[in-house]
Amino acid sequence: DQQVKQNSPSLSVQEGRISILNCDYTNSMFDYFLWYKKYPAEGPTFLISISSIKDKNEDGRFTVFLNKSAKHLSLHIVPSQPGDSAVYFCAASERGAGGTSYGKLTFGQGTILTVHP
Amino acid sequence: DGGITQSPKYLFRKEGQNVTLSCEQNLNHDAMYWYRQDPGQGLRLIYYSQIVNDFQKGDIAEGYSVSREKKESFPLTVTSAQKNPTAFYLCASSKSFDGIFFGPGTRLTVL
Repeated sequence: DQQVKQNSPSLSVQEGRISILNCDYTNSMFDYFLWYKKYPAEGPTFLISISSIKDKNEDGRFTVFLNKSAKHLSLHIVPSQPGDSAVYFCAASERGAGGTSYGKLTFGQGTILTVHP
Repeated sequence: DGGITQSPKYLFRKEGQNVTLSCEQNLNHDAMYWYRQDPGQGLRLIYYSQIVNDFQKGDIAEGYSVSREKKESFPLTVTSAQKNPTAFYLCASSKSFDGIFFGPGTRLTVL
């Protein structure tokens, strides 16, 4: 039962254009969402997060949008750069569950982003 | 320099052997986690520990064991009971809602 889904295995974008990565979830108890960037044979690097009380969070070139009614979030990268080429993972957690379960994340399958010069 | 270290980066073992993966952090984080990544899949939680001398099973704990004797260390043992142990293993730690930080990973190959 895949609770977090990234339905696009790959995305190819021209340098300078916008990259939009999508993520859907099914568990309505998820209340905190994160995006990670990962290179092969390395650990994921945290990019940006959003709480369910917000619908948008921005950090430089990265913006995450959350649509709770649709159980959908997206990561926008503007402008895209060749160095952004990596695998992007969406992750979700139930922070409202209490305790220190900060790192109990449910991940999507990942989307390979390729930014062409 | 604060961070999470995992060793070794690559590990080869024969089928039927137990193997222990090391994870150390000097971030003073209370919680530590082990995730596994398989090709084309997201990361899946194996075990986690919120405090020293306590740990809980994640989604795919079968065939694995852990210990948390020190705050800084959370070793993972892949036992012979794990049916498909070849994978990329990632250790992580966290202290607050600001996020979870991952180590560089260990690629385990069982021959």
